[in-house]
Amino acid sequence: DIQMTQSPSSLSASVGDRVTITCRASQSISSYLNWYQQRPGKAPKLLIYAASSLQSGVPSRFSGSGSGTDFTLTISSLQPEDFATYYCQQSYSTPHTFGQGTKLEIK
Amino acid sequence: QVQLQESGPGLVKPSQTLSLTCTVSGGSISSGSYYWSWIRQPAGKGLEWIGRIHATGSTTYNPSLRSRVTISLDTSKNQLSLKLSSATAADTAVYYCARERGYDYVDDYWGQGTLVTVSS
Repeated sequence: DIQMTQSPSSLSASVGDRVTITCRASQSISSYLNWYQQRPGKAPKLLIYAASSLQSGVPSRFSGSGSGTDFTLTISSLQPEDFATYYCQQSYSTPHTFGQGTKLEIK
Repeated sequence: QVQLQESGPGLVKPSQTLSLTCTVSGGSISSGSYYWSWIRQPAGKGLEWIGRIHATGSTTYNPSLRSRVTISLDTSKNQLSLKLSSATAADTAVYYCARERGYDYVDDYWGQGTLVTVSS
């Protein structure tokens, strides 16, 4: 299985801040990297697919980059609704493994 | 707009089979353009991919669960199902069904999830 490692595991930030979350794959996954947002008690929501493509309806303050083994999710200006847990997922090979999550909290 | 809704018993006894159904609306599970997946999440923990099925009936399972998992389709009801045999407390989780796009393998639509507790 491909192992996905996110950092940091948790992050405190303020509204308006720019934040970056990183995800590293244990082997090259090309650009088969997706980012999900999960609010408490809710299902994950697709934000970014293919490393850098913004899912329809997702605000443009979210962006993704990277290829191979190293990827980043950036939120350019945090909004109150962005405080949630974020997961990366590789869809290069099955099983489609997820990172352990990054919990974004209000400072 | 595609919608997915999981259903099934919220409590399963140890050693019994955990069985869930996912009803899809707004799209056909017979479409060859998609896979249909199951993913689970223990309380306070991360996400685990269980497996998927294509409209052709082809299945792929997580090796860690392969010996106990069966995913199937009921095209007449537009439903997919999950069966997990020999359940233990470690199988206690919220279970999600999701639609996976066949051209880029992305889970774009998810159900709201259903909590299954394995306990006597």
